[in-house]
Amino acid sequence: GIQVEQSPPDLILQEGANSTLRCNFSDSVNNLQWFHQNPWGQLINLFYIPSGTKQNGRLSATTVATERYSLLYISSSQTTDSGVYFCAVDFTGGGNKLTFGTGTQLKVEL
Amino acid sequence: EPEVTQTPSHQVTQMGQEVILRCVPISNHLYFYWYRQILGQKVEFLVSFYNNEISEKSEIFDDQFSVERPDGSNFTLKIRSTKLEDSAMYFCASSIRTEETQYFGPGTRLLVL
Repeated sequence: GIQVEQSPPDLILQEGANSTLRCNFSDSVNNLQWFHQNPWGQLINLFYIPSGTKQNGRLSATTVATERYSLLYISSSQTTDSGVYFCAVDFTGGGNKLTFGTGTQLKVEL
Repeated sequence: EPEVTQTPSHQVTQMGQEVILRCVPISNHLYFYWYRQILGQKVEFLVSFYNNEISEKSEIFDDQFSVERPDGSNFTLKIRSTKLEDSAMYFCASSIRTEETQYFGPGTRLLVL
């Protein structure tokens, strides 16, 4: 069936460290977005990236649609990066709805 | 930068009561969505709305739920008779076109007692 899987489920980093979060998806996609859910529960848009590579400051993302995965890179992590990172996918033929992964819970410590 | 807004930010209600959650999508967007997130779980799609009608809905979106665009700016989700399991964060989202970025509002945290 249609699936979005994220790894790792949990990650603890020291401030300043780099990390890579992965999202695997089971079928072709029209849209893929990465979100950061902050401690107040808000979903912050990070990237719209159905294919290719984008960068925004310390964050970058790459989606290889033919191999059905996306990666989110966080460099020089800060405590404010803590929270849950979600990958969400609009599958081709899926009716214009985002299917969310289960998320990666990131904690950045001093 | 334009934002999706939602009111109220928090709502507490008694089981069996009706609630209406309100959203103001980004003004030039044409597609509107509701999602929900039960505490500690992933975000789930409820319904999408375009051209004044529902375009897609999930199995969660049963007869207790309805959506409406009562005027040119608001988009509402009504739960007719709330149940304990409706307690969740409800997110509204909008996009300018299908397959484009969906922008999410800050959410309404609903607690049903």
